[in-house]
Amino acid sequence: EVKLVESGGGLVQPGGSLRLSCAASGFSLSGYSMNWVRQAPGKGLEWVSYMSSNGNTIYYADSVKGRFTISRDMAKNSLYVQMNSLRAEDTAVYYCTRDGTNDYWGQGTLVTVSS
Amino acid sequence: DIVMTQSPDSLPVSLGERATINCKSSQSVLDSSSNNNYLTWFQQKPGQPPKLLIYWASTRESGVPDRFSGSGSGTDFTLTISSLQPEDVAVYYCQQFYNAPYTFGQGTKLEIK
Repeated sequence: EVKLVESGGGLVQPGGSLRLSCAASGFSLSGYSMNWVRQAPGKGLEWVSYMSSNGNTIYYADSVKGRFTISRDMAKNSLYVQMNSLRAEDTAVYYCTRDGTNDYWGQGTLVTVSS
Repeated sequence: DIVMTQSPDSLPVSLGERATINCKSSQSVLDSSSNNNYLTWFQQKPGQPPKLLIYWASTRESGVPDRFSGSGSGTDFTLTISSLQPEDVAVYYCQQFYNAPYTFGQGTKLEIK
């Protein structure tokens, strides 16, 4: 069974950092591209970042470019996003998703940026 | 960037009636070499993550009821629910994954009339 479990969210002050994790099971990250997608409270979906199946191609939304870094650990079959210089507008539930079609989603982890 | 525009923003439909949601992209999302439209549709219910309904614009995901169908090509796409059921009340999103950034539409809130 395919499963994605995000963790690492929480309350952080503006300018702070946070690293989110996504533990994947039921498939290997080496076979699929992965994404981070976020949703601010009461708002729509916003794609954040993409990593190809071989890890060689990475994209970011302009809103996070230079502040967020996507990575993965194949031994742990886990995806990460390091978020630096956090702003109030980064407050959202962050989901990891599988494949270009986003065929599987985790339950999400809430990041709140506030003083 | 490709801008995805959905219409309407809100859609009241009677139970058993047809619901139609439109999605327009600012550029074509059709890959001519594969003849695939890089367009997906999602359903999101309150408190839940989105669920994939349709990919390649018209291919229904496994387990999705056949009352859901997708159509269109190039820049204009439609999600149709042939006979609205109470469990279909949700927000629906389209997304293109043709070119990064992989943009979503703003969402359409489907409700019972």
